[in-house]
Amino acid sequence: QQKVQQSPESLSVPEGGMASLNCTSSDRNFQYFWWYRQHSGEGPKALMSIFSDGDKKEGRFTAHLNKASLHVSLHIRDSQPSDSALYFCAARGSNNRIFFGDGTQLVVKP
Amino acid sequence: NSKVIQTPRYLVKGQGQKAKMRCIPEKGHPVVFWYQQNKNNEFKFLINFQNQEVLQQIDMTEKRFSAECPSNSPCSLEIQSSEAGDSALYLCASSLDSDYTFGSGTRLLVI
Repeated sequence: QQKVQQSPESLSVPEGGMASLNCTSSDRNFQYFWWYRQHSGEGPKALMSIFSDGDKKEGRFTAHLNKASLHVSLHIRDSQPSDSALYFCAARGSNNRIFFGDGTQLVVKP
Repeated sequence: NSKVIQTPRYLVKGQGQKAKMRCIPEKGHPVVFWYQQNKNNEFKFLINFQNQEVLQQIDMTEKRFSAECPSNSPCSLEIQSSEAGDSALYLCASSLDSDYTFGSGTRLLVI
């Protein structure tokens, strides 16, 4: 059973628009979450971590965590074409192992 | 540039051949992971180490892979007898507390 579910599978937004990505965990032991971004041909790069309920803002990126509902979201404002990539939600489980969602393909159109 | 160094970048092997890839974790990170990312971008956990000791590994890894993380040497992951289904991006990551850093991966093609 997939422990981390992401939506949508793909997302297209105009340049300057807002992109919103969602993630839900099915395991209440998952308390620590990350958002990773992966460009084609590269490994995933950590964008943000969020461990506490509420919002965490870093520049154009805002992550939101609701531990009660095990829901994490990522919002990218003023989206740029360079933001086009695969975005993964990840959660930490036992033995420090990271569980990944299936990814959201974001396309930002100029 | 990633602080986790993976080599080689690309690897092409015939079915039945051994395929070996290496990883130098970020300095000071005691935990090392290997993941397989398939063509659908799905991640599969393979094995992780803490200070050279295996923490956890999946059944497939135990049976068909050989992995080690010796002190003062790169970590390695070797497929003993490559199969077509092993074609994927193999990602190494290292961690310290809540900091997880991934390498750029080794893309394996088994023909």
